[in-house]
Amino acid sequence: EPEVTQTPSHQVTQMGQEVILRCVPISNHLYFYWYRQILGQKVEFLVSFYNNEISEKSEIFDDQFSVERPDGSNFTLKIRSTKLEDSAMYFCASSLIGEQFFGPGTRLTVL
Amino acid sequence: KNEVEQSPQNLTAQEGEFITINCSYSVGISALHWLQQHPGGGIVSLFMLSSGKKKHGRLIATINIQEKHSSLHITASHPRDSAVYICAVGYGGSQGNLIFGKGTKLSVKP
Repeated sequence: EPEVTQTPSHQVTQMGQEVILRCVPISNHLYFYWYRQILGQKVEFLVSFYNNEISEKSEIFDDQFSVERPDGSNFTLKIRSTKLEDSAMYFCASSLIGEQFFGPGTRLTVL
Repeated sequence: KNEVEQSPQNLTAQEGEFITINCSYSVGISALHWLQQHPGGGIVSLFMLSSGKKKHGRLIATINIQEKHSSLHITASHPRDSAVYICAVGYGGSQGNLIFGKGTKLSVKP
């Protein structure tokens, strides 16, 4: 069964460093998403991406964040200058029509 | 702004019990999702529904659009059902921007 994959599973970085989180969505899906979950809190929407552009973004998704689909398979989330409060689990998801399929997540720890 | 409320926050059941988790939301939606999150953190989609009822194995999800309420039922619960169950809503025809509830932590004891 096709699945969404994410790498790395755990990323530790120093405050102020740039990180890139990678996702490979399900191959025939058209819509791609990033969500985050701070430890002990609910999942929050960051951004959705369709037809090679951002279709929607939340207030959390400020200028420090960017997304790219550099080729036909990868979907990346870049955080330019990480802050302590960026520490969270980041989930990628993809969908064809409606139902979203989630990746296993990348746990980002900012020291 | 849509708010998603789940109840209960925590639920402990004995194996075999019938379980109900509730979700209510404040604004009209295009679809409601039930998700399962295991201790390792991964999220699995269980159901997406916009009306009526869906069933998959021992899981049943219902939605009442007029009352802005959905329920997730688990029949003959088993310890492997122990997880956090999350309700999330999408609205306005958007293919994204799900708003999530805080989740219900279910523990099923043998």
